[in-house]
Amino acid sequence: NAGVTQTPKFRVLKTGQSMTLLCAQDMNHEYMYWYRQDPGMGLRLIHYSVGEGTTAKGEVPDGYNVSRLKKQNFLLGLESAAPSQTSVYFCASSYSGLPSGSLLYFGPGTRLTVT
Amino acid sequence: RKEVEQDPGPFNVPEGATVAFNCTYSNSASQSFFWYRQDCRKEPKLLMSVYSSGNEDGRFTAQLNRASQYISLLIRDSKLSDSATYLCVVIAGNNRKLIWGLGTSLAVNP
Repeated sequence: NAGVTQTPKFRVLKTGQSMTLLCAQDMNHEYMYWYRQDPGMGLRLIHYSVGEGTTAKGEVPDGYNVSRLKKQNFLLGLESAAPSQTSVYFCASSYSGLPSGSLLYFGPGTRLTVT
Repeated sequence: RKEVEQDPGPFNVPEGATVAFNCTYSNSASQSFFWYRQDCRKEPKLLMSVYSSGNEDGRFTAQLNRASQYISLLIRDSKLSDSATYLCVVIAGNNRKLIWGLGTSLAVNP
């Protein structure tokens, strides 16, 4: 099992550019999440999905879109990147949904810099 | 007051020492509690859940104090490999939201 994988690991964007972060899991988990982690802010939930074809907003969804066309994949899109979106992005998955925090498996993260 | 607060540290301890850190939470209706470990530039990984009666996993002991609204993590016989940031996670409220602390940094020195 690869667990949760993320692509790419690093990326530098210019303001206004777009990109998609890919998250894949091979554990047959129903729930998937996108978090961002910033110094002094902790982990914040951007969007999440409770199953294939579903998405929902988290705490900080503005400027991001997501799609869950296949159960194993959860895509995070930035349509017009801004410097405020410079962060480390973590994808996570779980067999059951919140509040089972114990079942969160994280990917290795994507370090994004927007200049 | 922040919903979940942790002393950021760093806690610098020698190998073999016992170290403890706390995490306070503001919502008295909080229901579930966890400790995650995050190594530098890596993803968080579950260390242990925290049960009402307290629980132990090898050198690690987690406790919950509902009256004072905090959880604690005790590490005995510290190893160099314990150096990491320890994140407190609280599930609170009717919406069962996961709230992450900012973490406590631990450095175990030879």
